[in-house]
Amino acid sequence: DAGVIQSPRHEVTEMGQEVTLRCKPISGHDYLFWYRQTMMRGLELLIYFNNNVPIDDSGMPEDRFSAKMPNASFSTLKIQPSEPRDSAVYFCASSEKDGTQETQYFGPGTRLLVL
Amino acid sequence: QQQVKQSPQSLIVQKGGISIINCAYENTAFDYFPWYQQFPGKGPALLIAIRPDVSEKKEGRFTISFNKSAKQFSLHIMDSQPGDSATYFCAAGRGGYQKVTFGTGTKLQVIP
Repeated sequence: DAGVIQSPRHEVTEMGQEVTLRCKPISGHDYLFWYRQTMMRGLELLIYFNNNVPIDDSGMPEDRFSAKMPNASFSTLKIQPSEPRDSAVYFCASSEKDGTQETQYFGPGTRLLVL
Repeated sequence: QQQVKQSPQSLIVQKGGISIINCAYENTAFDYFPWYQQFPGKGPALLIAIRPDVSEKKEGRFTISFNKSAKQFSLHIMDSQPGDSATYFCAAGRGGYQKVTFGTGTKLQVIP
């Protein structure tokens, strides 16, 4: 398996622009997670899905952030409008419901810079 | 509110030495305690995990020690190698590994 795939790997945009981050989880995984990593706040869980349904979005910072999972193989995280403080590395992760390995598998991340 | 506190923030260890990273948690409902390893430019990857029914778990050079009464757990890396240089995150989860809270991370540098 190719692992969790994220795109783009790097994104530079200007304040006020819309940003869309994409994720393809590992095939067969039931759970999908979106995290944000910054030096100041560390690794924060933004939202996670189970079987394409959002289960907990309490970590989503504000209404400017939205996430969707239209099918089992694709998810998006959208920021509209973007602000400089959104600059961070965004990770997508996936996991099995009852896997032999009790772990989330992380993608390589998208490094976002909002100018 | 930071539910998982991790220390130190950074650590420099000589090759062959022991690296020790500590974490403390507040929520007694946590029942899953993993450690993740992250190399620059990569996502975190599970290193080792423990559940509170045991006080220690060892996998190769990596050992988790768990103290339930003190609500603390630690990662020991024996015979540290330059290839172990990475950022290490402790985490804690409730009811399984699907939703975990991460510590702030420890940047480990192992020097030759």
